[in-house]
Amino acid sequence: TQLLEQSPQFLSIQEGENLTVYCNSSSVFSSLQWYRQEPGEGPVLLVTVVTGGEVKKLKRLTFQFGDARKDSSLHITAAQPGDTGLYLCAGADFNQGGKLIFGQGTELSVKP
Amino acid sequence: DTGVSQDPRHKITKRGQNVTFRCDPISEHNRLYWYRQTLGQGPEFLTYFQNEAQLEKSRLLSDRFSAERPKGSFSTLEIQRTEQGDSAMYLCASSPPGELFFGEGSRLTVL
Repeated sequence: TQLLEQSPQFLSIQEGENLTVYCNSSSVFSSLQWYRQEPGEGPVLLVTVVTGGEVKKLKRLTFQFGDARKDSSLHITAAQPGDTGLYLCAGADFNQGGKLIFGQGTELSVKP
Repeated sequence: DTGVSQDPRHKITKRGQNVTFRCDPISEHNRLYWYRQTLGQGPEFLTYFQNEAQLEKSRLLSDRFSAERPKGSFSTLEIQRTEQGDSAMYLCASSPPGELFFGEGSRLTVL
């Protein structure tokens, strides 16, 4: 069974601070995605990483895929209250129909 | 087509009743997925379709759950004889290979 573990599960920081969220697995994934979810809404895709060692930037967010394609990180620089939400990593295995396996999520709260 | 739509957004029912959720995917996507999410957890895979064929069902999907996608377009998820443990957000997503686009979910509360 493929599992993804995210850490930390909860993070409460002040506006302007930096943070990193980790997503780890013992399994290799074909690709890994990060989603952001707000209460009462479905997850919204932020980024997909496919190549081991790949780094993608989305404004103040930096995403990295591990060299072995088993782990990933999300780094947010100068967090803002609008970054508050549930961040989910999800791994896809194209040998299993491309379905996504999700981590349990990191609940981020950025206080002004 | 603006995205994946789900209906109803909220459903409150009494234990033992049947409920049905509908999902209309993005029209050009041939894959459709159902996930369940409880508070504080990530989504858990339930089942997925490629066109009208149901290709995989999770062990989470008991006999009380059935999903269909009769014409390869919209899908329904029916839960029979609901139990309090079925209370959750039921998420539908459609996909080209490798990326999922989620609807806003259908929140079920079983009293």
